[in-house]
Amino acid sequence: DAGVIQSPRHEVTEMGQEVTLRCKPISGHDYLFWYRQTMMRGLELLIYFNNNVPIDDSGMPEDRFSAKMPNASFSTLKIQPSEPRDSAVYFCASSLYGLAARKPNTGELFFGEGSRLTVL
Amino acid sequence: KQEVTQIPAALSVPEGENLVLNCSFTDSAIYNLQWFRQDPGKGLTSLLLIQSSQREQTSGRLNASLDKSSGRSTLYIAASQPGDSATYLCAAFANTGNQFYFGTGTSLTVIP
Repeated sequence: DAGVIQSPRHEVTEMGQEVTLRCKPISGHDYLFWYRQTMMRGLELLIYFNNNVPIDDSGMPEDRFSAKMPNASFSTLKIQPSEPRDSAVYFCASSLYGLAARKPNTGELFFGEGSRLTVL
Repeated sequence: KQEVTQIPAALSVPEGENLVLNCSFTDSAIYNLQWFRQDPGKGLTSLLLIQSSQREQTSGRLNASLDKSSGRSTLYIAASQPGDSATYLCAAFANTGNQFYFGTGTSLTVIP
């Protein structure tokens, strides 16, 4: 498997523009997580999905942020309108049997390479 | 809410030295604990996963231990090399909240 795939790797945009980040989780994984990482705040969980259903979006900072998972192999994180304080690295991660199955050696979290967003 | 702490925030050691990184968590009701490595500008790479029923896991020069009762995990790196220089993060998957709680990481520098 190619691992978790994110695009774009780098995005530079101007304040007010819409930004869409994309993620392809590892095939067969049933949990998908979106994180944001900054020097000031470290790694923050934004939202996570189980079997394509959003479970906890309490980490989404504002209504400007939205996330979807239309199928098991694709998820998007959208920021509209973007602001300079949204500049960060956004990571997507996936895991198998996050909790439900309680099987050995499951629950391991795998990260993508991240999307570095700069809002001018 | 689960809180995960990593001390020290930064560590510098000479090549060849054995070292221990520490991770503490406040809620012992965890499903598993995972150690990651992050190189500058890169994503997080999984190093070791310890299930709640396990005490330790080993991979090459790395050994991770878990003591749920004391809320602690350690990552032991034997015979450190300059290539080990990176930030190391631990994450506890809590039974409550169904999510991973991350520490702020320990930045390791191994001096040749």
